[in-house]
Amino acid sequence: QSALTQPASVSGSPGQSITISCTGTSSDVGFYNLVSWYQQHPGKAPKVLISEINRRSSGLSDRFSGSKSDNTASLTISGLQPGDEADYYCCSYAGSGTYVFGGGTKLTVL
Amino acid sequence: EVSLVESGGGLVQPGGSLRLSCAASGFSFSDYDMQWLRQAPGKGLEFVSGITNNGARTYFAESVQDRFTISRDNSKRTLYLQMGSLKPEDMAVYYCARLSGGGYYFDYWGQGILVTVSS
Repeated sequence: QSALTQPASVSGSPGQSITISCTGTSSDVGFYNLVSWYQQHPGKAPKVLISEINRRSSGLSDRFSGSKSDNTASLTISGLQPGDEADYYCCSYAGSGTYVFGGGTKLTVL
Repeated sequence: EVSLVESGGGLVQPGGSLRLSCAASGFSFSDYDMQWLRQAPGKGLEFVSGITNNGARTYFAESVQDRFTISRDNSKRTLYLQMGSLKPEDMAVYYCARLSGGGYYFDYWGQGILVTVSS
């Protein structure tokens, strides 16, 4: 199972919006509406942000949103804040009880 | 409050074995499927293995199939990962995580435990 493809890095200024793409195949992202997104700060465990394409975790700001088109899922963060600087990972269910992650995207808030 | 605490990590030689444990608290452990995920130093996340709530079914990444086994003891609220024939590429921080109830995402994670494979 090959990893999903994410850009290695994205950046934006406070208040701006950014979008992180996550490209898979017709066997994972394209087949299942079961893409989740995780935020990981340095030295910390990942934390789920979005599940099932666009369902925000309890208490998560509506600045975070998810979408999907064909084999590509996307995470959009609007109104960037310094605390958003972190690594972001997408993940898709891949069938037979397995999951595949993206390689991760480092978000820098300039 | 949900808590997952991994233990059992450390240094092991290539070809060796190690057993990780994950102690769960703050939720009804026997109601949830559980997973092991890992992250090599400076790298991304990788699914390793999963087990259903009653232990009836297990799942593995191709990279660890036939080398790792996953199990659980619901009476002890503990998840295990038995790792064998370890390779340098297995070196990573290993996380146990809870699969959300009825969902397909990892809603709670442990703090992670480092496994170093080196001679």
